Amino acid sequence: KAGVTQTPRYLIKTRGQQVTLSCSPISGHRSVSWYQQTPGQGLQFLFEYFSETQRNKGNFPGRFSGRQFSNSRSEMNVSTLELGDSALYLCASSLARGETQYFGPGTRLLVL
Amino acid sequence: QKEVEQDPGPLSVPEGAIVSLNCTYSNSAFQYFMWYRQYSRKGPELLMYTYSSGNKEDGRFTAQVDKSSKYISLFIRDSQPSDSATYLCAMEANAGGTSYGKLTFGQGTILTVHP
Repeated sequence: KAGVTQTPRYLIKTRGQQVTLSCSPISGHRSVSWYQQTPGQGLQFLFEYFSETQRNKGNFPGRFSGRQFSNSRSEMNVSTLELGDSALYLCASSLARGETQYFGPGTRLLVL
Repeated sequence: QKEVEQDPGPLSVPEGAIVSLNCTYSNSAFQYFMWYRQYSRKGPELLMYTYSSGNKEDGRFTAQVDKSSKYISLFIRDSQPSDSATYLCAMEANAGGTSYGKLTFGQGTILTVHP
């Protein structure tokens, strides 16, 4: 069974731009969670989607948003990029809450 | 104070050593406990998953959970150079809407196993 895939793997943007990252979960998984990983803050939860509905959101500004499609694929969007948004963005999928989350390889975003 | 505390290390051990990694937590709602391994520039890879107090063994890895002390550990026996990575503890609550799909991670411990 294929794992979680994320595209693109690397991205360079400038301040003020916006970016969209994509995540395809493991087949059959309906829950997708997004995380931001930085050296200073570690792994922090952004939001979670299940059956196209956002069920939970972490403590991030409204510039961070996401959505999930009927095939469970998910996208996250960051608008008006800031230098501090440079990070590894990870997506994880699971069957349901309390079930194991499997992570993708991440998208490394650099904001200049 | 962070909900999950993990000694960031770094930890350097000789090949064959027993490694002990630990996390403490403050949120009593945490019910599911995981250990992930992350190699440089890769996504976290699940090593162990447990939801009850006690020990769980899988090959060279043993996960230990003590809910009364809010303390979890991962032991690696016969450590190998290929075990060199960052080890992350993670926890998930079972407390309604604010816990959906949210893992809370420790800062990660950098482990180096030298030949």
